[in-house]
Amino acid sequence: SYVLTQPPSVSVAPGKTASITCGGDNIGSRSVHWYQQKPGQAPVLVIHYDNDRPSGIPERFSGSNSENTATLTISRVEAGDEADYYCQVWYSSNDVVFGGGTKLTVL
Amino acid sequence: EVMLVESGGGLVQPGGSLRLSCAASGFTFSDYPMTWVRQAPGKGLEWLSTISGSGGTTFFPDSEKGRFTVSRDNSKDTLYLQMHRLRADDTAVYYCAKGATTVTTPFDYWGRGTLVTVSS
Repeated sequence: SYVLTQPPSVSVAPGKTASITCGGDNIGSRSVHWYQQKPGQAPVLVIHYDNDRPSGIPERFSGSNSENTATLTISRVEAGDEADYYCQVWYSSNDVVFGGGTKLTVL
Repeated sequence: EVMLVESGGGLVQPGGSLRLSCAASGFTFSDYPMTWVRQAPGKGLEWLSTISGSGGTTFFPDSEKGRFTVSRDNSKDTLYLQMHRLRADDTAVYYCAKGATTVTTPFDYWGRGTLVTVSS
């Protein structure tokens, strides 16, 4: 089965840039979606199709995807961005795979 | 406004069965695929199943084939997850999510989840 690997945690100071990676075999050939989940809440889609933002998501959120790594980038990080972030792909057209999740801590 | 409201969770004994429901509103339910995802306490997201808008096609991970059944009633705008032979490791919050367009698209709206606890 397909595996997506995320770092368990990332820490960043307010106002700085956070990068969260999602590694997978040739992930650059797939569409990657990113979800934000705050404690006690449902996940929220923040990036779809590698680098598109759904309506209502701040421009500070962006994404990229190439070769074996997809990356979620959050610019000018705010305290409210502290959350768990998950990458996700559809694999072989009938299998959903989530990364293990990354806890973003704002210092 | 899109809303998804899960129900049917609760305490169930090991080996028991449970049916979860997800009531949808704010969009044409039959036009969109729907998905169940669960999250065990302190763990990550785990995909359980996806069903097409018509209900004619379903997808499951190999690990869950046979114990879980997904269905939908488009006349009631409701999604279901029937679970059998429940185990302690099925304890989790169960979310329903709406597909953005076709089956292999991201999940653009999620419900708040319903907690299932499997314990004697």
